[in-house]
Amino acid sequence: GAVVSQHPSWVICKSGTSVKIECRSLDFQATTMFWYRQFPKQSLMLMATSNEGSKATYEQGVEKDKFLINHASLTLSTLTVTSAHPEDSSFYICSARANRDLGEQYFGPGTRLTVT
Amino acid sequence: QQQVKQSPQSLIVQKGGISIINCAYENTAFDYFPWYQQFPGKGPALLIAIRPDVSEKKEGRFTISFNKSAKQFSLHIMDSQPGDSATYFCAARGAGGSTLGRLYFGRGTQLTVWP
Repeated sequence: GAVVSQHPSWVICKSGTSVKIECRSLDFQATTMFWYRQFPKQSLMLMATSNEGSKATYEQGVEKDKFLINHASLTLSTLTVTSAHPEDSSFYICSARANRDLGEQYFGPGTRLTVT
Repeated sequence: QQQVKQSPQSLIVQKGGISIINCAYENTAFDYFPWYQQFPGKGPALLIAIRPDVSEKKEGRFTISFNKSAKQFSLHIMDSQPGDSATYFCAARGAGGSTLGRLYFGRGTQLTVWP
């Protein structure tokens, strides 16, 4: 149990375009979802936390207008990278948790974004 | 400020040996300390976790040792196998206030087990 999927697993887009990444909890309802960014050989960096039905809380330094997060249902959150630039190229990972504040975070398989 | 410090950055162990990865934390307001294993191009997967009221937890070849007074915890991989070659992250979970439920990750340790 506790499976989280991401789609797509990899995406290549041109500079200036927008790309949407989906994160789904397959066998549980995720009250809270997290979006992380990971550069090669580095740790996970939390970008934002979203509770179902509420606006996402962004970490300091993360542009909310560039990284749009929607968590409209208990099984789906989306991250849209708007007007992507090559420096947005990274590995994006979501995680999901059943409870708002406590409990295990289950991680998705990640999405590799390459902006050309 | 790095809340969780992890060492070493990389580790090379022979097959059958013991791999040891150490982490230290500065904030006392953590209530859960998980370790994650990540293979290249994949998301992290929970390996083993411990709560601060326990000094050791063992699951198969993996053991966490926890020293609350020293604010340190470590992962021991016994009988290391080539399939254990991956990046390992320690983490600490916030216990209250604005950090409640949030995970703070170490920088990671790249483990290579030679056959």
